[in-house]
This record gives sequence, structure tokens and C-alpha cells, in this order.
Amino acid sequence: DTEVTQTPKHLVMGMTNKKSLKCEQHMGHRAMYWYKQKAKKPPELMFVYSYEKLSINESVPSRFSPECPNSSLLNLHLHALQPEDSALYLCASWGGNYGYTFGSGTRLTVV
Amino acid sequence: TQLLEQSPQFLSIQEGENLTVYCNSSSVFSSLQWYRQEPGEGPVLLVTVVTGGEVKKLKRLTFQFGDARKDSSLHITAAQTGDTGLYLCAGRAYYGGSQGNLIFGKGTKLSVKP
Repeated sequence: DTEVTQTPKHLVMGMTNKKSLKCEQHMGHRAMYWYKQKAKKPPELMFVYSYEKLSINESVPSRFSPECPNSSLLNLHLHALQPEDSALYLCASWGGNYGYTFGSGTRLTVV
Repeated sequence: TQLLEQSPQFLSIQEGENLTVYCNSSSVFSSLQWYRQEPGEGPVLLVTVVTGGEVKKLKRLTFQFGDARKDSSLHITAAQTGDTGLYLCAGRAYYGGSQGNLIFGKGTKLSVKP
């Protein structure tokens, strides 16, 4: 299995909702990432987990809460988001072979 | 702060033409990757270059890593409409350690018209 699987593919949520994004990989990669990507822009790093520990938080607002339950899973919990948080959220993993494996992303719309 | 300057930002060409995309930095990278992204999908890794001066070919795509590991280029020969997409370069910092953190260029939006 050489994939990173993200669910759901699309999500529409209100500003008072709580939702979670999920990411799963079974390549044995020990570094996993959350990126946010706005239209026509490159991905922006949000969080880095290394060996299941949060190692980097790029000054992301607390309405985004990451979680790494085990070495294969990465969650992003969302609460009280704003419309400007609408974006493509990408999960990626890195196995030390220089390149990332990205998931297909979750297209999030906040209404 | 390490930066990767990618150019051009937009490129619209006719099928059959050649093109080159550039990534430049004042910093040294231990490796550099090129990705291609379709709308609404995640980036897909095309190639990783590691050694200064390295050249890699992937069918009609040629990737080059500068001797000093500060710059890279992607050359496409005889572009096809299927090459249309967003091309991203990303460098791994020399101190990347065990996390593999990447620095992305701003991307090149390529449109190949029939």
C-alpha cells in the first residue's frame, strides 16, 4: 500500500459545527503532515508529527486541533471555523526517501 | 527563512512547444522535489534530485539540480494537453533531520492548448 487516504473528500460545515478530517497511511512512515492550500497557491504547512509527537505547529489558530492516535492515523479536529478557513486540506507522509506522499485532500467549505 | 522562487507563475503554450520552469534559492537544499497537481487533488511526486549537477529524465520531462544545490529546472519537450496542471518545486532543508520538512515554491500554472 503506497497511498495516503484522506476522508472525507468534501466537507461543508457551519461556523458552529465540530468536524474531523482523517488521514491514514500504511507505509510505515513516521512523519506526517497537515497542509492547507488555497486556490492557485502552494500548500502551507500547518502541523508536523514525528514519531506520533507534535513537533511543529506553524502558529495555527486553536480552532484547528491535530491528533495522532497511532503511527498510521492523523486527525484534524475542526471547531468554530471561519469562512476564510475554506480550503483544500492535505495530509502527507514522509518515509525518508526525500519526497512526500500526499493524500487527495479534503475540500472544506465553511458557511 | 529559506525561500524558493519559482518562475514563471503562469505559462500558456500550444501543444508541441517546449517550456522550462525554474526554481531558485539563496539557500542550499539537501534534495529537491518536483510535484504536479491537478485541481482538487493532492500533489503527485514526479522526481527527487539529490546530487548537485544531477539530471533526471522522465519521458518528455527533464529535471536538473544545480551544482550548488540552490536551484533546479524542469524542462518539458513537445508539451501535450495532458501536461496541463500546477507544477510545484519543493526543497528539503539541509538541516531537515528526521522530519523531512519541505519548503514549497509558489507553483507554475501550466496550460497547454490543443
